[in-house]
Amino acid sequence: LAKTTQPISMDSYEGQEVNITCSHNNIATNDYITWYQQFPSQGPRFIIQGYKTKVTNEVASLFIPADRKSSTLSLPRVSLSDTAVYYCLVGRNYGNNRLAFGKGNQVVVIP
Amino acid sequence: KAGVTQTPRYLIKTRGQQVTLSCSPISGHRSVSWYQQTPGQGLQFLFEYFSETQRNKGNFPGRFSGRQFSNSRSEMNVSTLELGDSALYLCASSPLLGNEQFFGPGTRLTVL
Repeated sequence: LAKTTQPISMDSYEGQEVNITCSHNNIATNDYITWYQQFPSQGPRFIIQGYKTKVTNEVASLFIPADRKSSTLSLPRVSLSDTAVYYCLVGRNYGNNRLAFGKGNQVVVIP
Repeated sequence: KAGVTQTPRYLIKTRGQQVTLSCSPISGHRSVSWYQQTPGQGLQFLFEYFSETQRNKGNFPGRFSGRQFSNSRSEMNVSTLELGDSALYLCASSPLLGNEQFFGPGTRLTVL
């Protein structure tokens, strides 16, 4: 199972675009990249999933370079309510993602 | 549609005791997964059940066990509790194996 590496924490100002990176150097051909968000005292919530290039939904964009060894979650114009832990997971579709949430990246949005 | 529910929300036990946590998945979801979350280790996968059978298992000792009923509701049991078992236990459901997971609010277990 591909291991992911994320920064432990990062701060951002309200209204800015936030880019959260994730390294997954040994990603397999069949692996997808999935991001979850967790607010304090809540369970994680699915944000977005992608395989290559770019995926966009109403919440975020996911950028995946050609070698797929990293990915970047982009949150446009963050607000204080975007303060959360963000997890990057790598696995086949969703199935193997059960194994690799890790510690995630604590993002703090500052007024 | 109601979300994933977990009971109890908070629990205090002492070392050596055992505990049973309950999870009711979203209606129609057949897969239930359990996770342990601690500040030091993050979110770690315990096991996943589908159609009353354990399909995936994480790297936890045999003191941690689970089961799933015919209505997809699931329970997890921890026997001979240790201080290190203090954690937030999260349950997640999905329609089938390999789908997006929907998490419950968790059960906060404190072992004294």
